[in-house]
Amino acid sequence: AQSVTQLGSHVSVSEGALVLLRCNYSSSVPPYLFWYVQYPNQGLQLLLKYTSAATLVKGINGFEAEFKKSETSFHLTKPSAHMSDAAEYFCAVTLGGGYQKVTFGTGTKLQVIP
Amino acid sequence: DTAVSQTPKYLVTQMGNDKSIKCEQNLGHDTMYWYKQDSKKFLKIMFSYNNKELIINETVPNRFSPKSPDKAHLNLHINSLELGDSAVYFCASSQEDRIQETQYFGPGTRLLVL
Repeated sequence: AQSVTQLGSHVSVSEGALVLLRCNYSSSVPPYLFWYVQYPNQGLQLLLKYTSAATLVKGINGFEAEFKKSETSFHLTKPSAHMSDAAEYFCAVTLGGGYQKVTFGTGTKLQVIP
Repeated sequence: DTAVSQTPKYLVTQMGNDKSIKCEQNLGHDTMYWYKQDSKKFLKIMFSYNNKELIINETVPNRFSPKSPDKAHLNLHINSLELGDSAVYFCASSQEDRIQETQYFGPGTRLLVL
């Protein structure tokens, strides 16, 4: 079975500070990992994904994430937070098996303080 | 042009009623999905269709019945609505059902059952 755990349902950072959103996965086989962002009253939008190529993945809006197999982690970072980054962030995992069944984490709400 | 659209955006109804939510994608994708997001933002897949064929059917009550008249549409019909059905329902699509495919989400339908 596959699962992801997002540590911290709420994270607050000051504008300009480092953003770090944590995600750990559980998988018996090499996973594919995603980060999605949900702005208020909108659907989810892909930020970045890991598909077994480079372990450091760069996404949109200055976000990046590093796949660390030894730590079973896929944490999302951004060097400098903007007010527009305030949103809900979801880590997700999917495995092989012929079709895509994505399991989402419980989400982390990012608050950016001016 | 909206890539994945859902109607209606808001739906308020009484217990016991039957309602439908429509989803359309203009991306030319082969695979479409329905997700349910509860009040705690937990997102769970309900159904997945690939080329109009059902490929994922999670443990969803029989009151929920998806219908895919063509590749661009995936509608969700709900019979005998219950209070616990109140949630945000998201439609999504992907190019194929391969595990590394990005999913594109609609804006959501906010269902409130009274």
